[in-house]
Amino acid sequence: QQPVQSPQAVILREGEDAVINCSSSKALYSVHWYRQKHGEAPVFLMILLKGGEQKGHDKISASFNEKKQQSSLYLTASQLSYSGTYFCGTDQTGANNLFFGTGTRLTVIP
Amino acid sequence: EAGVAQSPRYKIIEKRQSVAFWCNPISGHATLYWYQQILGQGPKLLIQFQNNGVVDDSQLPKDRFSAERLKGVDSTLKIQPAKLEDSAVYLCASSLTGEVNYGYTFGSGTRLTVV
Repeated sequence: QQPVQSPQAVILREGEDAVINCSSSKALYSVHWYRQKHGEAPVFLMILLKGGEQKGHDKISASFNEKKQQSSLYLTASQLSYSGTYFCGTDQTGANNLFFGTGTRLTVIP
Repeated sequence: EAGVAQSPRYKIIEKRQSVAFWCNPISGHATLYWYQQILGQGPKLLIQFQNNGVVDDSQLPKDRFSAERLKGVDSTLKIQPAKLEDSAVYLCASSLTGEVNYGYTFGSGTRLTVV
């Protein structure tokens, strides 16, 4: 039931782009994306609902393919502040309780 | 707005002892969650409340874990007796409730070490 994220880790130079993928074996009502910095709580980035919508948040956007039960997070022109571990959370019941993936550690270097 | 408050921030106990964590959600957030995050892993749902009712506790080890949200506001999570594998960060989160899903606001967590 836990979604699978890929890649597990990625290192970028400032200004480069990255894509993080999240795949579920179950039908989904929504997908959440969070960023967690070391020793801190996860911070909500965005939520995607059924309907295949795409959302944006500054230079971070995401898509949700309901039929494939997949979501992708796109980070463009990465900044040092983007460093952290990114988690997708999937809602399989509509009750807004989430199964979180194992995370993708993103490191942005100057 | 004030965030999700949790206490204590850190706790070290011996195995077989008991421990309790407290959480106060964002005002107006009817839904409250407790998650367990083991080092290097994603958070795992323990229990979800809507107001003072339980929505989902299917992953809560009920032989040792208990949680309550008596007045539909703050909540406590208790472990009794603790095991070594309970060492983790316990995160409380809250969200609005409605016809659509809303994102979570997490508290800073309680880091539990069982020795």
